[in-house]
Amino acid sequence: ETGVTQSPTHLIKTRGQQVTLRCSSQSGHNTVSWYQQALGQGPQFIFQYYREEENGRGNFPPRFSGLQFPNYSSELNVNALELDDSALYLCASSLREGQNIQYFGAGTRLSVL
Amino acid sequence: AQSVTQLGSHVSVSEGALVLLRCNYSSSVPPYLFWYVQYPNQGLQLLLKYTTGATLVKGINGFEAEFKKSETSFHLTKPSAHMSDAAEYFCAVSEGFGNEKLTFGTGTRLTIIP
Repeated sequence: ETGVTQSPTHLIKTRGQQVTLRCSSQSGHNTVSWYQQALGQGPQFIFQYYREEENGRGNFPPRFSGLQFPNYSSELNVNALELDDSALYLCASSLREGQNIQYFGAGTRLSVL
Repeated sequence: AQSVTQLGSHVSVSEGALVLLRCNYSSSVPPYLFWYVQYPNQGLQLLLKYTTGATLVKGINGFEAEFKKSETSFHLTKPSAHMSDAAEYFCAVSEGFGNEKLTFGTGTRLTIIP
């Protein structure tokens, strides 16, 4: 149990819709990273937030956006969903000033029809 | 840019046999290296990490890995496989403090033969 919780666990959307995924960090952590894991692949870095500011972004289009709140919880928003957005979305929290260990939640499985 | 290569997308070993999962990395700075395990329908669990210091690192569940800079490798081993080790294993690299983004390999699915 990592203390990182994600909601919802499963989600079904149709192409063109918008979705919001949520993540609660482990207590004491100030950094949240989001990853997309397509079926049979390793996780791909989407972006990271540190103290409510974006701190690095992977090769994902602007329709992927995020927020980090003062309590360090986070949201991932995806607009104009495409079929290829179907994946497991993983959130990881860490303490920037710590040992650089990311602790992952169980993920949200998004299916786009 | 960093990258990770995991040789062998599927590895099968007999229960009680040695487990060896291979990982090679590329990094322009001294890397931080990690092994994560993923059980079906679950998130990633950290097995072990290398940041600095001792190159042989021990993790949970009897796993260990050795950082070999000259070979740019970080292979994962376990002396005796157990049925509960069946899972997907991911090697990952980061640049460390200030840039904690993880770059993952494509994973190795470990099957244990009874």
